[in-house]
Amino acid sequence: NAGVTQTPKFRVLKTGQSMTLLCAQDMNHEYMYWYRQDPGMGLRLIHYSVGEGTTAKGEVPDGYNVSRLKKQNFLLGLESAAPSQTSVYFCASSYSARHSTNEKLFFGSGTQLSVL
Amino acid sequence: AQKITQTQPGMFVQEKEAVTLDCTYDTSDQSYGLFWYKQPSSGEMIFLIYQGSYDEQNATEGRYSLNFQKARKSANLVISASQLGDSAMYFCAMRGIIQGAQKLVFGQGTRLTINP
Repeated sequence: NAGVTQTPKFRVLKTGQSMTLLCAQDMNHEYMYWYRQDPGMGLRLIHYSVGEGTTAKGEVPDGYNVSRLKKQNFLLGLESAAPSQTSVYFCASSYSARHSTNEKLFFGSGTQLSVL
Repeated sequence: AQKITQTQPGMFVQEKEAVTLDCTYDTSDQSYGLFWYKQPSSGEMIFLIYQGSYDEQNATEGRYSLNFQKARKSANLVISASQLGDSAMYFCAMRGIIQGAQKLVFGQGTRLTINP
């Protein structure tokens, strides 16, 4: 019962370094999302994907890129990390259910990223 | 645009008392869903309860109930007989359609502390 798995759980970067966060889900979900969580601001959507090979920008996409080459994987990349990207990152997935409102998101356990 | 507002940054409640966490929302959609998630100190996001905009009765899940007042656009979470394990961050979220795809929009969260 893996659900949504994020790797790594913790990472420290220096300003300007790059890294990729991996999200994998084994529930055959169509939709996948990347959120960041900052104190007092809840969760904000970075990028999302409605299916294999498709991605789109969310509320706060600047400084991030994503790819969804396989249905089960959604990668979040930081090309040149900045201190403002210090945050907790959550991946989530859900069924497509385009016309349904009750599809909850299944979340990964989060990645704590610090950029020095 | 969809927006969720949680006006209580923190709440302190005595064990075994009932607690209400406030959530108001703004949307022009006729069909939408409202969710509550719990985030304990361990960091994971735990789904608690869901309310659909067309549901005539308030949702209940064990000790959790959702006080849905559609005309006032509020979806307050009520926890009956609070327990020490209820201490956590609580997020209200709404499923909306942004840029043609369904996503959850989150409020800022309320940190609930249950005192023994």
